[in-house]
Amino acid sequence: ILNVEQSPQSLHVQEGDSTNFTCSFPSSNFYALHWYRWETAKSPEALFVMTLNGDEKKKGRISATLNTKEGYSYLYIKGSQPEDSATYLCAFRGKTSYDKVIFGPGTSLSVIP
Amino acid sequence: NAGVTQTPKFQVLKTGQSMTLQCAQDMNHEYMSWYRQDPGMGLRLIHYSVGAGITDQGEVPNGYNVSRSTTEDFPLRLLSAAPSQTSVYFCASRPGQHTDTQYFGPGTRLTVL
Repeated sequence: ILNVEQSPQSLHVQEGDSTNFTCSFPSSNFYALHWYRWETAKSPEALFVMTLNGDEKKKGRISATLNTKEGYSYLYIKGSQPEDSATYLCAFRGKTSYDKVIFGPGTSLSVIP
Repeated sequence: NAGVTQTPKFQVLKTGQSMTLQCAQDMNHEYMSWYRQDPGMGLRLIHYSVGAGITDQGEVPNGYNVSRSTTEDFPLRLLSAAPSQTSVYFCASRPGQHTDTQYFGPGTRLTVL
């Protein structure tokens, strides 16, 4: 069973704060790592897909980094806004089963105005 | 394009009843998947398909059947519903390239009494 973990489980920050959270995955079997944003009562939406060690992706105030050797990815949000409130999911795909997309449990972010 | 559609949106079943959750996509995507979402557990993969006629098990396949007779449709069957299958079910699809991200349907909320 693939173990994809995310921390923290939940986070409350003030508007304007910057924040980051972690996704950890099996480093020995890496193929791709996806980040999704999931707002309440909606469906998950893709943020990034990362495949190479050292990858950095950016979309507005949100960015992500990838370390495949140690098996983690960080998601950063700069200057959090209330509209950033959502659950952020990472999803792992391994080399031996890259058709299977395994999600972590998510980090729930609440940005307080 | 309608994207990924799911029916019904809500369903209440009694223990032992059977039913089929429908999923369809009009984007000609090869890959389709079913997930269930439970509090604190993110999205768990039930079954997936890499093309018409081909299906495979995910993390939590017990109690569910799938088939993929066409590219567009990927129904999920509950053979004998149990209270443990109370959950929100999401269908997802992606084009088929290895780093593609998934597009999710709106979800079906199922309660088994």
